[in-house]
Amino acid sequence: AQSVTQLDSQVPVFEEAPVELRCNYSSSVSVYLFWYVQYPNQGLQLLLKYLSGSTLVKGINGFEAEFNKSQTSFHLRKPSVHISDTAEYFCAAMKPAGTYKYIFGTGTRLKVLA
Amino acid sequence: DAMVIQNPRYQVTQFGKPVTLSCSQTLNHNVMYWYQQKSSQAPKLLFHYYDKDFNNEADTPDNFQSRRPNTSFCFLDIRSPGLGDAAMYLCATSRDFVFGQGDGYTFGSGTRLTVV
Repeated sequence: AQSVTQLDSQVPVFEEAPVELRCNYSSSVSVYLFWYVQYPNQGLQLLLKYLSGSTLVKGINGFEAEFNKSQTSFHLRKPSVHISDTAEYFCAAMKPAGTYKYIFGTGTRLKVLA
Repeated sequence: DAMVIQNPRYQVTQFGKPVTLSCSQTLNHNVMYWYQQKSSQAPKLLFHYYDKDFNNEADTPDNFQSRRPNTSFCFLDIRSPGLGDAAMYLCATSRDFVFGQGDGYTFGSGTRLTVV
């Protein structure tokens, strides 16, 4: 069965410092991978997605993620965070065909400190 | 701008009193979804509509129902809310059922339901 693991429930980081949010997936088949951001009392917004091709994916707000098949990881990175990046970040997986369902991780709360 | 709108943003209901949450979309997407998100947890899919076809998740309680009278609107009905149903309810849409192109969803801003 597919699963998505976000090992860090909370990540505090100082403003302008780099950050990495970790995501690992388990699947016996290929998957699409996504990162969503959720600001307080808001819905989820797509940051970026990996479908195929280049393993380095660039998204909105300066975020990027790297797909690593051998390590079954899809970690999210930003070289310099802002206070406004404080939010919950969800990693999600989806099978490429025949299904519409996301498998979400449990989320990582990023708190950017001044 | 095309979007997914949920009303109300905050809803307080009494224990056992039926409540309806609303979702509308201007994207003309075929599929609409309802997710339940409890505090500090991942969103959990309750059901979805592909056009008029309703698809219930196996573990969605019978207390939760949904209606989709037309392409633009979808409602979540909770027949007898319990304290455990307090959560953020997220509506989402997608262009199609099969993610051949890997499209993501478009989410609404959610309705936070409080049960008193």
